[in-house]
Formats: sequence, structure tokens, C-alpha cells
Amino acid sequence: NAGVMQNPRHLVRRRGQEARLRCSPMKGHSHVYWYRQLPEEGLKFMVYLQKENIIDESGMPKERFSAEFPKEGPSILRIQQVVRGDSAAYFCASSQIREVDYGYTFGSGTRLTVV
Amino acid sequence: QQQVKQSPQSLIVQKGGIPIINCAYENTAFDYFPWYQQFPGKGPALLIAIRPDVSEKKEGRFTISFNKSAKQFSLHIMDSQPGDSATYFCAARANFGNEKLTFGTGTRLTIIP
Repeated sequence: NAGVMQNPRHLVRRRGQEARLRCSPMKGHSHVYWYRQLPEEGLKFMVYLQKENIIDESGMPKERFSAEFPKEGPSILRIQQVVRGDSAAYFCASSQIREVDYGYTFGSGTRLTVV
Repeated sequence: QQQVKQSPQSLIVQKGGIPIINCAYENTAFDYFPWYQQFPGKGPALLIAIRPDVSEKKEGRFTISFNKSAKQFSLHIMDSQPGDSATYFCAARANFGNEKLTFGTGTRLTIIP
């Protein structure tokens, strides 16, 4: 049973380019969460999605960032016109609803470097 | 207030010692408090979690102590080993119906032989 799969593991983009980060949840999980981790900081919630629905995007920057979780395929976090401040590790997690006391499972992350 | 405050930022303990990491929160709507362990280059992994109706929970060498009135909780690692060297994050989830976690800023733990 594969865990949460994220790719690519490392992504380098020049300022102004687009970054696409992919996340395949664990089998049977229909809830996906994206978090961002800046160097030497904790994880910050970005967005919570279910299939074809954005449930909570209160942590997403208002511009340039978008996320989707289509009926088929992985969840995508898209960052348009990247800037140096977008350099961070982006983690995806998945869960079944209200997995009481089990928390959820994180992927290994995508480390984005903007040059 | 959605913050979870974590201390210390870093901690060095000799093998066999008991590192203690502390967290405090303000939001009384938080109802679930997990701890995550993160090794370099990896995602956080759930270590142990507690609910506010319990004052202590043990799983192997890891213990969470919870003080509901003080709104504080802590992680203790018994008989610490060099393999426990990692960054530890406390977190909290509000009982609003989704699973969004608010994380502390992390503690970098080093266990020296």
C-alpha cells in the first residue's frame, strides 16, 4: 500500500516561470491537504480539497497560487510567476474524513527552489 | 488565536536522557493534539497524539502530558537514542469538521552518544 506520493521531489524554476506540484493520495483517501514549510519553520496550512471541491483555501496566497483535485488523477498545486519567496518545501497529506486519533499521512514533499 | 507556541527551538540531550518539548495554545476549540517527527529530507510522520479528555498518553518510549487548564502539552522521550535525533513538531486541530492542523515552529533534537 503505497503512501502519499509527491512529485517531483525537487523542482528548480526561474523567477516568472510556473511550478506544478503533484500529489497522489493514499489508496482510499479522498481528502488532500497542502502545507508549505519555509526553512527553519513549521508547516503552514494552505488548502484542503476533496475530489472536485476546494473545502478550505484560507491559507492560500490570494494571487498566483491555485489548487485542484480532479475526479481522476493527482491533486495539483500550481504556482504562477514564481518569486524567490516561494522557495520552500511543499507537503501534501491525505486522510479519510475524521480519522480520529490517526491524524493524516504526509508525503515526502517537493522542494521548490526559485532562482 | 490560532497559534501553537513550541519550545525550545533546539535541544541537545545525552543518550539515555529524557528530552522534553513543550507546546502551548490559546484556542479552546482545539480538540486533538498530535506530535510529528521529521527527518531531514522527509515529510513529517505522526508519532503520537492526545485528546484533551486525557492527561497522559504513552506509546513505547514516547509520552504526551496534557494540562487542559493551562492549555499546555508536552512530549517526553524516555531512554533517548541517537536515532531519535530529528525535528519534532507539535500541532493542534480545531473541532470544526475538517482536519486542518496548526503546527508549532519545531524543535530540533540532537541525541549525543
